[in-house]
Amino acid sequence: NAGVTQTPKFRILKIGQSMTLQCTQDMNHNYMYWYRQDPGMGLKLIYYSVGAGITDKGEVPNGYNVSRSTTEDFPLRLELAAPSQTSVYFCASSSSRAALAGGNRFFGPGTRLTVL
Amino acid sequence: QKEVEQNSGPLSVPEGAIASLNCTYSDRGSQSFFWYRQYSGKSPELIMSIYSNGDKEDGRFTAQLNKASQYVSLLIRDSQPSDSATYLCAVSFNDMRFGAGTRLTVKP
Repeated sequence: NAGVTQTPKFRILKIGQSMTLQCTQDMNHNYMYWYRQDPGMGLKLIYYSVGAGITDKGEVPNGYNVSRSTTEDFPLRLELAAPSQTSVYFCASSSSRAALAGGNRFFGPGTRLTVL
Repeated sequence: QKEVEQNSGPLSVPEGAIASLNCTYSDRGSQSFFWYRQYSGKSPELIMSIYSNGDKEDGRFTAQLNKASQYVSLLIRDSQPSDSATYLCAVSFNDMRFGAGTRLTVKP
């Protein structure tokens, strides 16, 4: 049981490049989330999904896109990378029961992205 | 704007002492409250959740909630160097909001 896995661990992009951050969970959780964490700023929600085929914007969605074709996978797409997207990105998941109780997220190990 | 505020620290305590971490929140409708621990370079992990006013104890950790004052705290008794980490407060109603975290250092 690997939990939540993310690839890559590190990436450097040039301004204007595109990339996809991969996220997979094997806990059969319906709810999945993408957060970014900037130094001293806490975690900000980018997008979330309550099940396959259903996604919605979080607090800071601009510059990102997501899709959810399966329960397991929730990739995050950056189309035109900008320096402001330099951050650590965490994918997380939770069961429906936990999510409805406002509850626990299981976090992946994170992707450290630098845009130069 | 729903805010969750924490002192950024760093908070430094000697080994064996009690560490007290505080968090205030602005959304009076918040119903669920969490403390996550995040070691440097790692992902957050849940250590405590609390849903009703009062204290909740789990081993060396005690979470305290006062909804009237919109205040939640985490006490760590008999602090150990392995407790050195950043502690994130999270508050949830329709969505979960995280504080910026308090960095705790426990000195041997």
